[in-house]
Amino acid sequence: DAGVIQSPRHEVTEMGQEVTLRCKPISGHNSLFWYRQTMMRGLELLIYFNNNVPIDDSGMPEDRFSAKMPNASFSTLKIQPSEPRDSAVYFCASSLLAGAYNEQFFGPGTRLTVL
Amino acid sequence: AQTVTQSQPEMSVQEAETVTLSCTYDTSESDYYLFWYKQPPSRQMILVIRQEAYKQQNATENRFSVNFQKAAKSFSLKISDSQLGDAAMYFCAYRSASGTYKYIFGTGTRLKVLA
Repeated sequence: DAGVIQSPRHEVTEMGQEVTLRCKPISGHNSLFWYRQTMMRGLELLIYFNNNVPIDDSGMPEDRFSAKMPNASFSTLKIQPSEPRDSAVYFCASSLLAGAYNEQFFGPGTRLTVL
Repeated sequence: AQTVTQSQPEMSVQEAETVTLSCTYDTSESDYYLFWYKQPPSRQMILVIRQEAYKQQNATENRFSVNFQKAAKSFSLKISDSQLGDAAMYFCAYRSASGTYKYIFGTGTRLKVLA
C-alpha cells in the first residue's frame, strides 16, 4: 500500500488566497483525521471523520476553515481566505475505526506558508 | 472528557543508556488503547508501540517497552540502549474503543540523544 497520500507537499500562497489541501487515506481505513502542527501550538486535531461523516470539528479554528470527505478515498481541507497565521504543517492521518490495530497512519504533511 | 498529559517537554539521554518518558491520561472509560508515536526531524509520524487497556501485560517492541499502570492512569515509555536515531519528538496518544473513537494526543516530549 502507498500509505496516506497528501498533496501538495509544499504550498506558498499570499494572504487572502484560497488554499486546498488534499488527502487520500489508506484503502480500507474508515477514520480520517486532519491535524495542524506549529512550534507554538504543537499538534492540534482540527477535525475527524468516521465513515465519511464529520464527528468532531471543534478544533477547526474559524469559519475560514472547512473540510469535506465526499467518499472513502478522498478528503479536502480548505482555507478561505488564508492568513499568515495559518502557516503550519498540516497532516492527514487515517486508521481503522475499531479493533486492536487501529493506530493512525500519517501522511507526510503539507507545509503551508502564507505570505 | 479525556485528556493526555506529557509533563516533560524535553529529555536528554546518553547514547546506550536508558530513558523513560512519562505520560498520564484521564478517562472514565474502561476500554481504550494507548500509543506512543515518534516524529523524527523528517516530521513523518511513526507508531512506536501500542497497548490495549484490557491487557495487563506491558507491551514491548525490541528496545521499546511501556509501563502501563491502569489504576494510576499512567503509560510511560522506556527506551533501552538509546541510539542517535532515537532522537525525535515522542507523542503519547489515547483512543476510545467505542462511541466516537476519539483520538487524543499529548503535547509531546523532545528527546535528545547525546553521543
